[in-house]
Amino acid sequence: NAGVTQTPKFRVLKTGQSMTLLCAQDMNHEYMYWYRQDPGMGLRLIHYSVGEGTTAKGEVPDGYNVSRLKKQNFLLGLESAAPSQTSVYFCASSYRGQGYQPQHFGDGTRLSIL
Amino acid sequence: EDKVVQSPLSLVVHEGDTVTLNCSYEVTNFRSLLWYKQEKKAPTFLFMLTSSGIEKKSGRLSSILDKKELFSILNITATQTGDSAIYLCAGGAQGGSEKLVFGKGTKLTVNP
Repeated sequence: NAGVTQTPKFRVLKTGQSMTLLCAQDMNHEYMYWYRQDPGMGLRLIHYSVGEGTTAKGEVPDGYNVSRLKKQNFLLGLESAAPSQTSVYFCASSYRGQGYQPQHFGDGTRLSIL
Repeated sequence: EDKVVQSPLSLVVHEGDTVTLNCSYEVTNFRSLLWYKQEKKAPTFLFMLTSSGIEKKSGRLSSILDKKELFSILNITATQTGDSAIYLCAGGAQGGSEKLVFGKGTKLTVNP
């Protein structure tokens, strides 16, 4: 079982470049989430989706956009990368909302912005 | 503003020691408290607690929630080097809010 798969695993960008991180889940989960994790900061929610075609802002949405065109995929976009976006990005999914069911996490994408 | 505070932020123990990790929370419409273990990659789920005073146990790990005092503890007995990880605590709300609020984590190092 693949679970939650994130691509790419590592990426180095230059300031101002754009890129898209892909998250795919094969568990038929309704809810999907993007987090960033910085040293000493825990996990912070960027954007989330409660179903196909829906998206909503989390705690730190600025500088990011998302799309959920298909139920199994949740894309995170950086239009113009900044050094402050250097982080490890985690995608997660769950069948119900976060207060009701634990999430399954992907292995993360380590992103460096030079 | 919702928040989850974990203590200590880091802890170094010797194999065989017992440790207690603390998590206090302030979450609007609180429903559940979750514990995750994070080694090198993805956080992995340990426990979800929704009822006060009922201990959840899995092997050497156990956890309990106190909804009156708004805190939870995670106990690990007879620690092993494989327990070295960051332990994350998070508070989940009921109905309408999808924001799981994470603490900053406790980094546990177990030395042989």
